[in-house]
Amino acid sequence: AQTVTQSQPEMSVQEAETVTLSCTYDTSESDYYLFWYKQPPSRQMILVIRQEAYKQQNATENRFSVNFQKAAKSFSLKISDSQLGDAAMYFCAYRSVSKGGSEKLVFGKGTKLTVNP
Amino acid sequence: EAQVTQNPRYLITVTGKKLTVTCSQNMNHEYMSWYRQDPGLGLRQIYYSMNVEVTDKGDVPEGYKVSRKEKRNFPLILESPSPNQTSLYFCASRRHRVTYEQYFGPGTRLTVT
Repeated sequence: AQTVTQSQPEMSVQEAETVTLSCTYDTSESDYYLFWYKQPPSRQMILVIRQEAYKQQNATENRFSVNFQKAAKSFSLKISDSQLGDAAMYFCAYRSVSKGGSEKLVFGKGTKLTVNP
Repeated sequence: EAQVTQNPRYLITVTGKKLTVTCSQNMNHEYMSWYRQDPGLGLRQIYYSMNVEVTDKGDVPEGYKVSRKEKRNFPLILESPSPNQTSLYFCASRRHRVTYEQYFGPGTRLTVT
C-alpha cells in the first residue's frame, strides 16, 4: 500500500524568507499524481500545487514550487518570500488507484508552518 | 461559483442518534469522496463514489453509510454514532480522469457525546 511521510511535524520561517517542507512516499507505480494541500485555521483544504510523475519538470505556482525526485520518491514544497497568510498546516498527498479501480488520496500527517513577522 | 458544500458545518449529538451530513457539488463531477481528519492521522478516506449508484468502501468505512442517487449529492450517514466518530469530516469531488485533484468542501465538525 502507498504511504506518505512528512517528517517535519512543525516548521517556522521568517516573513519574506524561503522554507522547504519535506515529503516522501512509497509506491510501486510508475505513473501517479502528487499534491500539496494547505489547511489554514479556517480548516478549508486548499490545493497548492500538483505534479504528474511522468513530467520531469518541477511544477511551479507563483511563490510555490516543488522539488520532485522520482527515483528518491521525494516531493518537497518550497515557499519563497513567505507571507503571514502562508501560515497553515500543509499536507502532502498521493493519488492512489488500486487494480480494482478504487481511487483515493493518501495523505501525510501534515506539517504545521508558522510564519514569524 | 464552483464549489462543494456541506451541511451542517458543526454538529453535536449523542451516541446512537442517527444523523446525515449532506454534501453537494455544482461542478458536474463524477467522482466524490468522504474523508475524516483526526489529529496526528491526516485525512483518511471513508467512502467514495465513481458515479451515480456506484459507491465503494475506503479505508475506514465502519459505522458509516453513503448513497449516490444524484450526481451532485453524496450524503454521509451515521446510523448509530459513537464517540470514536467524533472528527472533522470532508467531502471532496473531482472530474473523472481529467486533472485528478480533488476539490474539498468546508468540513463538518462532528462531536458525539
